[in-house]
Amino acid sequence: DTGVSQDPRHKITKRGQNVTFRCDPISEHNRLYWYRQTLGQGPEFLTYFQNEAQLEKSRLLSDRFSAERPKGSFSTLEIQRTEQGDSAMYLCASSPTQGNTIYFGEGSWLTVV
Amino acid sequence: DQQVKQNSPSLSVQEGRISILNCDYTNSMFDYFLWYKKYPAEGPTFLISISSIKDKNEDGRFTVFLNKSAKHLSLHIVPSQPGDSAVYFCAAGGYTGNQFYFGTGTSLTVIP
Repeated sequence: DTGVSQDPRHKITKRGQNVTFRCDPISEHNRLYWYRQTLGQGPEFLTYFQNEAQLEKSRLLSDRFSAERPKGSFSTLEIQRTEQGDSAMYLCASSPTQGNTIYFGEGSWLTVV
Repeated sequence: DQQVKQNSPSLSVQEGRISILNCDYTNSMFDYFLWYKKYPAEGPTFLISISSIKDKNEDGRFTVFLNKSAKHLSLHIVPSQPGDSAVYFCAAGGYTGNQFYFGTGTSLTVIP
């Protein structure tokens, strides 16, 4: 059990560029979540997958945000045409089954300049 | 719509004493609750959970109490240690685990 892994840990990008974050969940966890956290706030739910199916995406912040989990293992979160307001920590989490605890990765810091 | 609230942004406690962190929620459909600890620049680390069929759950120095009628839960840390200094988040959701709602956190400082 190596924990939830996220890459990159830090990303600085210019406004208008696209960025992609990758998440590798704990092996055999079939649920995967993306959250966003800004300073002074708690994690904010964005989307989640059960295996490769994206079961909830209505909380994605805009149509510039998209997530995939093509083979039910790792996932990617893409932000297109980044804006300064996208600067935040993007957290990935996984859980083994319904109702169980979710375990977070170390997060990916995004700074849009 | 802040469905989970932690009304104390910060708390300071002497080493060895009890730390009590509070959390309130508004949605009576929530039936699974978690506490996380977070250090700066790291992801939240799971501490302890409780389901609505219980009113107390213990794990070592950490105990979570749930008062469903008041929609309130609390985390007790006894005895508090300097290494406990961190931001603590409570989270609430349904047992289906579709999504969890987090509070804004309480920053705990344990003074040696």
